[in-house]
Amino acid sequence: AQTVTQSQPEMSVQEAETVTLSCTYDTSESNYYLFWYKQPPSRQMILVIRQEAYKQQNATENRFSVNFQKAAKSFSLKISDSQLGDTAMYFCASLSGNTGKLIFGQGTTLQVKP
Amino acid sequence: ETGVTQTPRHLVMGMTNKKSLKCEQHLGHNAMYWYKQSAKKPLELMFVYNFKEQTENNSVPSRFSPECPNSSHLFLHLHTLQPEDSALYLCASSQVGTGGRISYEQYFGPGTRLTVT
Repeated sequence: AQTVTQSQPEMSVQEAETVTLSCTYDTSESNYYLFWYKQPPSRQMILVIRQEAYKQQNATENRFSVNFQKAAKSFSLKISDSQLGDTAMYFCASLSGNTGKLIFGQGTTLQVKP
Repeated sequence: ETGVTQTPRHLVMGMTNKKSLKCEQHLGHNAMYWYKQSAKKPLELMFVYNFKEQTENNSVPSRFSPECPNSSHLFLHLHTLQPEDSALYLCASSQVGTGGRISYEQYFGPGTRLTVT
């Protein structure tokens, strides 16, 4: 069974600083994908970044990057140069490449302070 | 319209009412999903449709009845709901690969905030 754990319910960061959100997962599959989704207060869930498990290189999307540690089953999200618009709930998710089932973590609420 | 749309955005219904939630995706995807998001709980997958066929029913009570008439539209029919069914209901879509392998991320709609009184 797939599980995803986010151990930080809430975090805050000053504008322009860097913050890292933690995520650990567990799966018995070899074919899986990992995602970070962002859900701002308006509630639209937006994909931030994705990582294919078979790729060793960490994914990067502008100010967002991940630290994918496959052996440790860790998938953290780093946000550089935080902006007020980054304030949102962030969900880590694991998708089975075989079943298509997407499992979400509990979420981390990030507050970017001016 | 672009992406995934959901209507209505807000819905208040009594326990004896019957209502339906609608989802439409404009991304050319062939798989659609219903999720339930309750406060302080992870998103819960409810139903999955691949190529209009239901492939997953995650032990959802029968008072929730999905319908997928085509790959672009998904409905969730509601009847005799309970107050604990109050939640944000999210629809998502993705592209399923050949042979049932799914390799693409899911795109979400804005959700329907449901309140059962």
